[in-house]
Amino acid sequence: AQSVTQLDSQVPVFEEAPVELRCNYSSSVSVYLFWYVQYPNQGLQLLLKYLSGSTLVESINGFEAEFNKSQTSFHLRKPSVHISDTAEYFCAVSGSGGFKTIFGAGTRLFVKA
Amino acid sequence: KAGVTQTPRYLIKTRGQQVTLSCSPISGHRSVSWYQQTPGQGLQFLFEYFSETQRNKGNFPGRFSGRQFSNSRSEMNVSTLELGDSALYLCASSWAPRTGTSYEQYFGPGTRLTVT
Repeated sequence: AQSVTQLDSQVPVFEEAPVELRCNYSSSVSVYLFWYVQYPNQGLQLLLKYLSGSTLVESINGFEAEFNKSQTSFHLRKPSVHISDTAEYFCAVSGSGGFKTIFGAGTRLFVKA
Repeated sequence: KAGVTQTPRYLIKTRGQQVTLSCSPISGHRSVSWYQQTPGQGLQFLFEYFSETQRNKGNFPGRFSGRQFSNSRSEMNVSTLELGDSALYLCASSWAPRTGTSYEQYFGPGTRLTVT
């Protein structure tokens, strides 16, 4: 069975500071990994994904995540956050062979001025 | 391409009533998944449909059901509503091969259901 653990439910950070949102997963098959972002009163939006190839993936707005197979992690990082990054972030895992996508509980990122 | 659309966006129902929510996926996507999101339980998977067949199911009572039409549009129905069914219901579509691999999902804005 697959599972996803987001280690922090809330992360407060000052504007322009770096941030890391942690995600660990467990799976018995090869995985595909995703980060989604949800702004207030909206649906989830895909932020970035790892399907295969380079273990470091980047989004267009400065976020990056690294797939670490040995540590079964897919942590999300940004070197300098903005107020507009305040949102809830979800890590998700899926796999081949009919496995549905499993979402973590979410991490609420608060960026303070 | 147009995104995932959900109707209605907001709904208020009374306990004991039933409700039907609609989802139109992105053109070409054959997989549609439904989720319930609440502050206490987070994002919970309801079911997934692929080419009109339910492919995966979460741990919800039989009051929650769904279907998918030949044009990939999907509906979910909740019968005998309870206060605890108040939630944001999210629909997501995905391009997925018949083998069952799940790739990235594209979410609609959700339907906010309030049960009084």
